[in-house]
Amino acid sequence: QKEVEQNSGPLSVPEGAIASLNCTYSDRVSQSFFWYRQYSGKSPELIMSIYSNGDKEDGRFTAQLNKASQYVSLLIRDSQPSDSATYLCAVNRNTNAGKSTFGDGTTLTVKP
Amino acid sequence: DAGITQSPRHKVTETGTPVTLRCHQTENHRYMYWYRQDPGHGLRLIHYSYGVKDTDKGEVSDGYSVSRSKTEDFLLTLESATSSQTSVYFCAISESLGVETQYFGPGTRLLVL
Repeated sequence: QKEVEQNSGPLSVPEGAIASLNCTYSDRVSQSFFWYRQYSGKSPELIMSIYSNGDKEDGRFTAQLNKASQYVSLLIRDSQPSDSATYLCAVNRNTNAGKSTFGDGTTLTVKP
Repeated sequence: DAGITQSPRHKVTETGTPVTLRCHQTENHRYMYWYRQDPGHGLRLIHYSYGVKDTDKGEVSDGYSVSRSKTEDFLLTLESATSSQTSVYFCAISESLGVETQYFGPGTRLLVL
């Protein structure tokens, strides 16, 4: 079992719809959780971080964390073609030189 | 954008030759990381550094070595390049424990023939 698992996708949604990206992790002591977006041929960039159970909203993005279920998700409301990218989930124990473990990513395509 | 540069950005080399990739940061961040990214494998940690001359192995360190003689520079060396090391290599930095957000460099595309 991988430490961080994401739906491999690809995920396709129509423009204006809600895109839901899911991530599960195996290390119960994980403390920090991140979503990175990576456009084709580019480097990953942080879009959301979440540390406590519940929801965290930033514009059209909402991250949800449930530590009991070891589950973190990212919702993108009013999806736009510019949201088409690969989304990487990362978890961190907040120890050991701050190493994060990344999932393999979910590729999202938003169709106009 | 975080001040991270990688050099070279593209490199083609032959099997058996040594290759060194450079990561340079202007943020004075303590932690630096080298990842490789391959289709179907996401980002895999090769080596990381938690200070000058302090480095440790990641999950895919075989065939790679690193050095960090200055805060701003982190070098990745492929001791004898193999075709399996053809990949995209990303350098990342983070400020400190408790601030684990990582900022990535633009990447180096390496092709080993």
